[in-house]
Amino acid sequence: TQLLEQSPQFLSIQEGENLTVYCNSSSVFSSLQWYRQEPGEGPVLLVTVVTGGEVKKLKRLTFQFGDARKDSSLHITAAQPGDTGLYLCAGGSSNTGKLIFGQGTTLQVKP
Amino acid sequence: DSGVTQTPKHLITATGQRVTLRCSPRSGDLSVYWYQQSLDQGLQFLIQYYNGEERAKGNILERFSAQQFPDLHSELNLSSLELGDSALYFCASSVAGAAYEQYFGPGTRLTVT
Repeated sequence: TQLLEQSPQFLSIQEGENLTVYCNSSSVFSSLQWYRQEPGEGPVLLVTVVTGGEVKKLKRLTFQFGDARKDSSLHITAAQPGDTGLYLCAGGSSNTGKLIFGQGTTLQVKP
Repeated sequence: DSGVTQTPKHLITATGQRVTLRCSPRSGDLSVYWYQQSLDQGLQFLIQYYNGEERAKGNILERFSAQQFPDLHSELNLSSLELGDSALYFCASSVAGAAYEQYFGPGTRLTVT
């Protein structure tokens, strides 16, 4: 059974601080997605990484896919209150549409 | 706005009843996915349809069924509802049959009383 473990589960920081969220598995995934979800709304796709070692940047967010394609990280620089939300990683298979989601990291950025 | 639409937004029903949730994918997307999100289980994959055919199945209960119609919209049918079926149900869509780049709808909140 493929599992994705995210850490930490909860993070409360002050505006301007940096943070990193980790997503780890013992399984290899063909793709890794990061989503952000607001309460009562659907997850919004932030990024997809598909190549081992790949790094993608989205403004203050940096995403990295591990060399072995088993883990990923999300780094936020100078966090802002607007970054508050639930961050979910999801691993995908190349031959089916099934996404395996991590349990999520709830981020609170205080002004 | 992801371009994926779901109706209804909220649904309250009693145990033992049957409900139908509806999803319209983004224009041009051939795959539709259904997910269930609950507090204790997180976001769980239920089933995928690709161009009208079932493509992948997850932890979907036998009381649940889905289909994708020729116009590519999809319906998720939940029957003999139990209290534990209360959850957010999301539909997602993608262009292809693989798992990349799935775009989620706003969800249907189902409350079973």
